[in-house]
Amino acid sequence: DAGVIQSPRHEVTEMGQEVTLRCKPISGHNSLFWYRQTMMRGLELLIYFNNNVPIDDSGMPEDRFSAKMPNASFSTLKIQPSEPRDSAVYFCASRTSGEETQYFGPGTRLLVL
Amino acid sequence: AQSVTQLDSHVSVSEGTPVLLRCNYSSSYSPSLFWYVQHPNKGLQLLLKYTSAATLVKGINGFEAEFKKSETSFHLTKPSAHMSDAAEYFCVGGGGYNKLIFGAGTRLAVHP
Repeated sequence: DAGVIQSPRHEVTEMGQEVTLRCKPISGHNSLFWYRQTMMRGLELLIYFNNNVPIDDSGMPEDRFSAKMPNASFSTLKIQPSEPRDSAVYFCASRTSGEETQYFGPGTRLLVL
Repeated sequence: AQSVTQLDSHVSVSEGTPVLLRCNYSSSYSPSLFWYVQHPNKGLQLLLKYTSAATLVKGINGFEAEFKKSETSFHLTKPSAHMSDAAEYFCVGGGGYNKLIFGAGTRLAVHP
């Protein structure tokens, strides 16, 4: 199994630009989670999907952030416009129904200048 | 509300000596508990999980953790540290069916 796949692994962009992060969950997993990790705030859950439907987006910082899951094997997290305070590592995780264990991708390290 | 507290932000040990990373939880019900490890510039990897089947849980790489309800603890141990164990360790609680509650993390340094 390839595990959770995220792309890109690193992204450097300028303030105001649109950023799109991508995630492919483990095949057969039906829940997907987006997290943000910073030194100041640790790991924060941004949003999660169950069967491609967003269930809880209360962790999404503001309207500049949006997430989609058009099918069971792909999700995107978009930031538009990006700001320097969005600089962080963004993780995607997935799990199967009936299991609490989440499996994490390698993360996308985002730097907004 | 459930919470997870890691008692040490940094732990430093010598190679070959025991490792103890401390975690306390608060929960109004019998929790699911996990330990994840994050090596530098890597994602989180599951070390072990407790789901009430057995209080002593063995994980990968020689780590184990014991669930002690009377102490509300789930400390992570390893008899002999290896240089490759240097990483950040997260104690995590199952916060209801769909959410995980992360501790703040403990950074483990291993010295030769």
